Amino acid sequence: ETGVTQSPTHLIKTRGQQVTLRCSSQSGHNTVSWYQQALGQGPQFIFQYYREEENGRGNFPPRFSGLQFPNYSSELNVNALELDDSALYLCASSLGNPGTTNEKLFFGSGTQLSVL
Amino acid sequence: AQTVTQSQPEMSVQEAETVTLSCTYDTSESDYYLFWYKQPPSRQMILVIRQEAYKQQNATENRFSVNFQKAAKSFSLKISDSQLGDAAMYFCAYRRRSGATNKLIFGTGTLLAVQP
Repeated sequence: ETGVTQSPTHLIKTRGQQVTLRCSSQSGHNTVSWYQQALGQGPQFIFQYYREEENGRGNFPPRFSGLQFPNYSSELNVNALELDDSALYLCASSLGNPGTTNEKLFFGSGTQLSVL
Repeated sequence: AQTVTQSQPEMSVQEAETVTLSCTYDTSESDYYLFWYKQPPSRQMILVIRQEAYKQQNATENRFSVNFQKAAKSFSLKISDSQLGDAAMYFCAYRRRSGATNKLIFGTGTLLAVQP
């Protein structure tokens, strides 16, 4: 167990809806990143938050947004869901300034999102 | 842009035998990190081993070792004395040493089956 928890574990939505996924980081971790893992693929980096600010983003459209709270828990929001958004969404937490450290990432078990 | 390639979609090994998983990558950076992650059916990404590019010595972690060939941009994982619990999807990943994020770039994975 890594101490990183994600909720819900599974979710079914219809095209056009909005969804919020949640991640509770390991205690004390101030950096969280989100990844999308489509079926049969490796995870793709969505974005990263450090001390409540987004400090890096992958090749995802603006309808993918996030928040990091003062207790370092975080949310991933996806608006106007598309069929291709069906995937496993993983969050990963770490401690320290990601640009200056090589702290280990701790992953959660993900949320499996199905868009019908 | 950096890329990671895993050319073996599936591999199989007998229990107690040795297996090698292949990974190649492409980057113009000189300093970076390479990782092997294991993803069992629980879906959680578990760090198996990490290699820092500036270190010539190959990393080892118990039964797991790597063959890091920087000039060839090759990073293979050797699993010795394979156990049933080693059965999982294995992902090779790259991370820049510098930069504002700890973004990982993953390959497409190798599904390892361990036969009793």
